[in-house]
Amino acid sequence: GAGVSQSPSNKVTEKGKDVELRCDPISGHTALYWYRQSLGQGLEFLIYFQGNSAPDKSGLPSDRFSAERTGGSVSTLTIQRTQQEDSAVYLCASSLAKSAAQETQYFGPGTRLLVL
Amino acid sequence: AQSVTQPDIHITVSEGASLELRCNYSYGATPYLFWYVQSPGQGLQLLLKYFSGDTLVQGIKGFEAEFKRSQSSFNLRKPSVHWSDAAEYFCAVASGYSSASKIIFGSGTRLSIRP
Repeated sequence: GAGVSQSPSNKVTEKGKDVELRCDPISGHTALYWYRQSLGQGLEFLIYFQGNSAPDKSGLPSDRFSAERTGGSVSTLTIQRTQQEDSAVYLCASSLAKSAAQETQYFGPGTRLLVL
Repeated sequence: AQSVTQPDIHITVSEGASLELRCNYSYGATPYLFWYVQSPGQGLQLLLKYFSGDTLVQGIKGFEAEFKRSQSSFNLRKPSVHWSDAAEYFCAVASGYSSASKIIFGSGTRLSIRP
């Protein structure tokens, strides 16, 4: 009965290093979303998964960002060659249905990333 | 393209006072509108949502919101705030009722409660 979990909760890395962020959605939720929340900003959509496929990855800011989902469950967001502007809270959400409009999205606590 | 504007970055109200948080959207078709709350150290939680029907929507924690198509607004209200309502509030719009839709969030309004 757990909610959406994300790991790590905090990550400090040096500029230029790669990082992997993990999201465990609620069991049975087919839709999974990644968002980025920068300081003083709203949530910025990054990518959406339906099952293991990503029909909408329009929000990924550059080719340094990629994400995958395996087994229709866990998802990892990878940022290569991190830059200081990548510092933000990365939020994951999951929902039952295919459409964001149809079903409530349940959010995880986020991963706070700091790039030095 | 759809967008959401929350014109107030930070609002302070006294405990027990009424609250209204403003939200304006831009979307060509019938919008699907949401209000989320983000309490300190916690994830986002859905307060309420509007898809169709009655334009006054009731949510959790005593919140309500009214959809006004003529004003492209979806303002959040509460008759009497409690100290525990201090949080960040986000208005959002879904881009469509399709399998590829996503939610577009506003930049948020931070609510502080004066004792």
